[in-house]
Amino acid sequence: GAVVSQHPSWVICKSGTSVKIECRSLDFQATTMFWYRQFPKQSLMLMATSNEGSKATYEQGVEKDKFLINHASLTLSTLTVTSAHPEDSSFYICSARDGGPAETQYFGPGTRLLVL
Amino acid sequence: AQSVAQPEDQVNVAEGNPLTVKCTYSVSGNPYLFWYVQYPNRGLQFLLKYITGDNLVKGSYGFEAEFNKSQTSFHLKKPSALVSDSALYFCAVRGVNAGKSTFGDGTTLTVKP
Repeated sequence: GAVVSQHPSWVICKSGTSVKIECRSLDFQATTMFWYRQFPKQSLMLMATSNEGSKATYEQGVEKDKFLINHASLTLSTLTVTSAHPEDSSFYICSARDGGPAETQYFGPGTRLLVL
Repeated sequence: AQSVAQPEDQVNVAEGNPLTVKCTYSVSGNPYLFWYVQYPNRGLQFLLKYITGDNLVKGSYGFEAEFNKSQTSFHLKKPSALVSDSALYFCAVRGVNAGKSTFGDGTTLTVKP
Protein backbone atom coordinates (compact mmCIF):
# COMPACT_ATOMS: atom_id res chain seq x y z
CA GLY A 1 0.00 0.00 0.00
CA ALA A 2 0.88 3.64 -0.25
CA VAL A 3 3.06 5.17 2.45
CA VAL A 4 2.49 8.39 4.33
CA SER A 5 5.14 9.68 6.69
CA GLN A 6 4.89 12.22 9.48
CA HIS A 7 7.59 14.13 11.27
CA PRO A 8 8.21 14.45 14.11
CA SER A 9 6.63 11.44 15.81
CA TRP A 10 6.93 13.07 19.22
CA VAL A 11 7.27 16.71 20.20
CA ILE A 12 7.34 18.41 23.56
CA CYS A 13 7.21 22.19 23.65
CA LYS A 14 6.66 25.05 26.01
CA SER A 15 3.38 26.90 26.14
CA GLY A 16 3.33 29.81 23.72
CA THR A 17 5.66 28.33 21.16
CA SER A 18 4.74 27.13 17.67
CA VAL A 19 5.14 23.61 16.40
CA LYS A 20 5.24 22.43 12.80
CA ILE A 21 4.28 18.91 11.77
CA GLU A 22 5.14 17.60 8.31
CA CYS A 23 3.16 15.04 6.36
CA ARG A 24 4.56 13.46 3.21
CA SER A 25 3.18 10.99 0.71
CA LEU A 26 6.19 8.91 -0.25
CA ASP A 27 5.10 6.95 -3.29
CA PHE A 28 2.03 8.69 -4.63
CA GLN A 29 0.73 12.14 -5.33
CA ALA A 30 -1.65 13.35 -2.67
CA THR A 31 -4.21 15.52 -4.35
CA THR A 32 -6.08 15.77 -1.07
CA MET A 33 -4.71 15.72 2.44
CA PHE A 34 -6.56 15.57 5.72
CA TRP A 35 -5.53 16.48 9.25
CA TYR A 36 -7.12 14.75 12.22
CA ARG A 37 -6.86 15.06 15.94
CA GLN A 38 -7.41 12.09 18.19
CA PHE A 39 -7.96 12.13 21.93
CA PRO A 40 -7.28 9.03 24.07
CA LYS A 41 -9.70 6.20 23.33
CA GLN A 42 -11.70 8.43 21.06
CA SER A 43 -12.46 8.62 17.41
CA LEU A 44 -10.82 10.81 14.87
CA MET A 45 -11.79 14.45 14.72
CA LEU A 46 -11.31 15.90 11.27
CA MET A 47 -9.67 19.30 11.54
CA ALA A 48 -9.29 20.33 7.91
CA THR A 49 -9.10 19.16 4.32
CA SER A 50 -6.62 20.58 1.90
CA ASN A 51 -6.10 20.27 -1.83
CA GLU A 52 -2.74 20.98 -3.36
CA GLY A 53 -2.31 24.65 -4.11
CA SER A 54 -5.56 25.66 -2.45
CA LYS A 55 -6.47 27.00 0.94
CA ALA A 56 -7.50 24.42 3.47
CA THR A 57 -11.14 23.91 4.36
CA TYR A 58 -11.51 23.86 8.12
CA GLU A 59 -14.17 22.01 10.04
CA GLN A 60 -16.54 23.94 12.23
CA GLY A 61 -14.97 24.87 15.53
CA VAL A 62 -11.37 24.55 14.34
CA GLU A 63 -9.46 27.83 14.53
CA LYS A 64 -7.75 28.38 11.21
CA ASP A 65 -5.42 31.02 12.65
CA LYS A 66 -4.24 28.63 15.31
CA PHE A 67 -3.88 25.54 13.15
CA LEU A 68 -2.17 26.69 9.98
CA ILE A 69 -2.23 24.20 7.15
CA ASN A 70 -0.13 24.44 4.02
CA HIS A 71 -0.37 22.01 1.12
CA ALA A 72 2.23 23.46 -1.17
CA SER A 73 3.01 20.38 -3.21
CA LEU A 74 1.47 17.07 -4.18
CA THR A 75 3.61 15.25 -1.64
CA LEU A 76 3.83 17.60 1.32
CA SER A 77 1.43 19.19 3.76
CA THR A 78 2.29 20.91 7.01
CA LEU A 79 0.29 21.66 10.12
CA THR A 80 1.58 24.45 12.35
CA VAL A 81 0.13 24.76 15.81
CA THR A 82 0.69 28.41 16.67
CA SER A 83 1.08 29.65 20.24
CA ALA A 84 0.49 26.18 21.57
CA HIS A 85 -1.18 25.68 24.93
CA PRO A 86 -1.57 22.57 27.10
CA GLU A 87 -5.08 21.99 25.75
CA ASP A 88 -3.54 21.52 22.31
CA SER A 89 -1.75 18.43 23.55
CA SER A 90 -3.04 15.57 21.48
CA PHE A 91 -2.28 12.96 18.83
CA TYR A 92 -2.32 14.51 15.37
CA ILE A 93 -2.68 12.28 12.33
CA CYS A 94 -2.46 13.23 8.69
CA SER A 95 -3.99 11.35 5.82
CA ALA A 96 -3.57 11.54 2.08
CA ARG A 97 -5.56 10.48 -0.94
CA ASP A 98 -4.75 10.38 -4.61
CA GLY A 99 -7.83 11.00 -6.70
CA GLY A 100 -11.54 10.97 -6.08
CA PRO A 101 -13.84 9.64 -3.36
CA ALA A 102 -13.40 6.00 -4.34
CA GLU A 103 -9.73 6.15 -3.67
CA THR A 104 -8.28 4.95 -0.39
CA GLN A 105 -7.12 7.37 2.27
CA TYR A 106 -3.73 6.44 3.66
CA PHE A 107 -2.71 7.57 7.09
CA GLY A 108 0.54 8.73 8.58
CA PRO A 109 1.85 7.23 11.83
CA GLY A 110 0.78 10.24 13.86
CA THR A 111 2.51 12.92 15.94
CA ARG A 112 2.17 13.07 19.69
CA LEU A 113 2.25 16.69 20.88
CA LEU A 114 2.73 17.56 24.53
CA VAL A 115 2.58 21.22 25.48
CA LEU A 116 3.97 22.03 28.90
CA ALA B 1 -25.31 13.94 5.44
CA GLN B 2 -23.43 10.72 5.95
CA SER B 3 -22.92 8.84 9.18
CA VAL B 4 -21.44 5.65 10.55
CA ALA B 5 -22.35 3.68 13.65
CA GLN B 6 -20.17 1.12 15.33
CA PRO B 7 -22.58 -0.13 17.99
CA GLU B 8 -20.01 -1.94 20.09
CA ASP B 9 -17.28 -0.08 21.94
CA GLN B 10 -15.59 -3.36 22.81
CA VAL B 11 -15.55 -6.85 21.33
CA ASN B 12 -13.90 -9.74 23.14
CA VAL B 13 -13.19 -13.07 21.50
CA ALA B 14 -11.03 -16.08 22.23
CA GLU B 15 -8.11 -16.85 19.98
CA GLY B 16 -9.13 -19.20 17.20
CA ASN B 17 -12.77 -18.17 17.30
CA PRO B 18 -14.44 -16.17 14.55
CA LEU B 19 -14.79 -12.46 15.09
CA THR B 20 -17.24 -9.85 13.87
CA VAL B 21 -16.98 -6.09 14.27
CA LYS B 22 -20.20 -4.37 13.32
CA CYS B 23 -20.72 -1.26 11.22
CA THR B 24 -23.84 0.38 9.86
CA TYR B 25 -23.97 3.49 7.74
CA SER B 26 -26.20 6.15 6.32
CA VAL B 27 -25.41 7.99 3.09
CA SER B 28 -27.17 9.48 0.11
CA GLY B 29 -26.70 7.32 -2.93
CA ASN B 30 -24.19 4.54 -3.21
CA PRO B 31 -21.55 4.30 -0.51
CA TYR B 32 -17.84 3.78 -0.51
CA LEU B 33 -17.01 1.84 2.66
CA PHE B 34 -13.69 1.31 4.37
CA TRP B 35 -12.21 -0.51 7.34
CA TYR B 36 -9.05 0.59 9.11
CA VAL B 37 -7.12 -0.79 12.09
CA GLN B 38 -5.13 1.23 14.59
CA TYR B 39 -2.51 -0.11 16.95
CA PRO B 40 -1.54 1.91 20.06
CA ASN B 41 0.23 5.19 19.31
CA ARG B 42 0.12 4.54 15.58
CA GLY B 43 -1.79 5.86 12.61
CA LEU B 44 -4.56 3.94 10.89
CA GLN B 45 -3.79 1.08 8.55
CA PHE B 46 -6.08 0.34 5.63
CA LEU B 47 -7.68 -3.12 5.73
CA LEU B 48 -10.21 -3.21 2.93
CA LYS B 49 -12.83 -1.28 1.03
CA TYR B 50 -16.05 -1.73 -0.87
CA ILE B 51 -16.56 0.38 -3.95
CA THR B 52 -18.77 -1.71 -6.20
CA GLY B 53 -19.21 -5.28 -7.37
CA ASP B 54 -19.01 -8.37 -5.19
CA ASN B 55 -20.59 -7.80 -1.79
CA LEU B 56 -17.90 -9.85 -0.04
CA VAL B 57 -14.64 -7.98 0.11
CA LYS B 58 -11.39 -9.61 1.17
CA GLY B 59 -8.61 -7.57 2.68
CA SER B 60 -5.37 -7.68 4.57
CA TYR B 61 -4.44 -10.10 7.35
CA GLY B 62 -7.30 -12.49 6.56
CA PHE B 63 -10.05 -9.97 7.21
CA GLU B 64 -13.15 -9.70 5.08
CA ALA B 65 -16.31 -7.63 5.12
CA GLU B 66 -19.73 -8.05 3.64
CA PHE B 67 -21.65 -5.19 2.14
CA ASN B 68 -25.37 -5.51 2.81
CA LYS B 69 -27.31 -2.79 1.08
CA SER B 70 -30.71 -3.65 2.52
CA GLN B 71 -29.38 -3.56 6.07
CA THR B 72 -26.94 -0.71 5.32
CA SER B 73 -24.22 -2.67 7.02
CA PHE B 74 -20.58 -3.46 6.38
CA HIS B 75 -19.49 -5.82 9.14
CA LEU B 76 -15.85 -6.84 9.44
CA LYS B 77 -15.16 -10.53 9.92
CA LYS B 78 -12.34 -12.99 10.33
CA PRO B 79 -12.78 -16.77 10.57
CA SER B 80 -10.11 -17.34 13.20
CA ALA B 81 -8.93 -14.55 15.49
CA LEU B 82 -5.33 -14.05 16.53
CA VAL B 83 -4.07 -12.33 19.68
CA SER B 84 -2.21 -9.95 17.37
CA ASP B 85 -5.56 -8.81 15.93
CA SER B 86 -6.21 -6.96 19.19
CA ALA B 87 -6.49 -3.30 18.21
CA LEU B 88 -8.89 -0.44 17.55
CA TYR B 89 -10.98 -0.81 14.40
CA PHE B 90 -12.63 2.00 12.48
CA CYS B 91 -15.32 1.84 9.84
CA ALA B 92 -15.69 4.75 7.43
CA VAL B 93 -18.18 5.78 4.76
CA ARG B 94 -17.95 8.24 1.93
CA GLY B 95 -20.69 9.16 -0.49
CA VAL B 96 -19.86 9.15 -4.18
CA ASN B 97 -19.96 12.93 -4.27
CA ALA B 98 -18.48 13.55 -0.85
CA GLY B 99 -15.07 15.09 -0.43
CA LYS B 100 -14.39 13.51 2.92
CA SER B 101 -15.08 10.33 4.82
CA THR B 102 -17.03 9.96 8.02
CA PHE B 103 -15.50 7.64 10.58
CA GLY B 104 -17.20 5.62 13.27
CA ASP B 105 -16.20 5.96 16.90
CA GLY B 106 -14.13 2.82 16.76
CA THR B 107 -14.41 -0.65 18.28
CA THR B 108 -11.72 -2.07 20.49
CA LEU B 109 -11.12 -5.72 19.68
CA THR B 110 -9.47 -7.86 22.33
CA VAL B 111 -8.47 -11.40 21.45
CA LYS B 112 -7.58 -13.51 24.47
CA PRO B 113 -5.28 -16.53 24.32
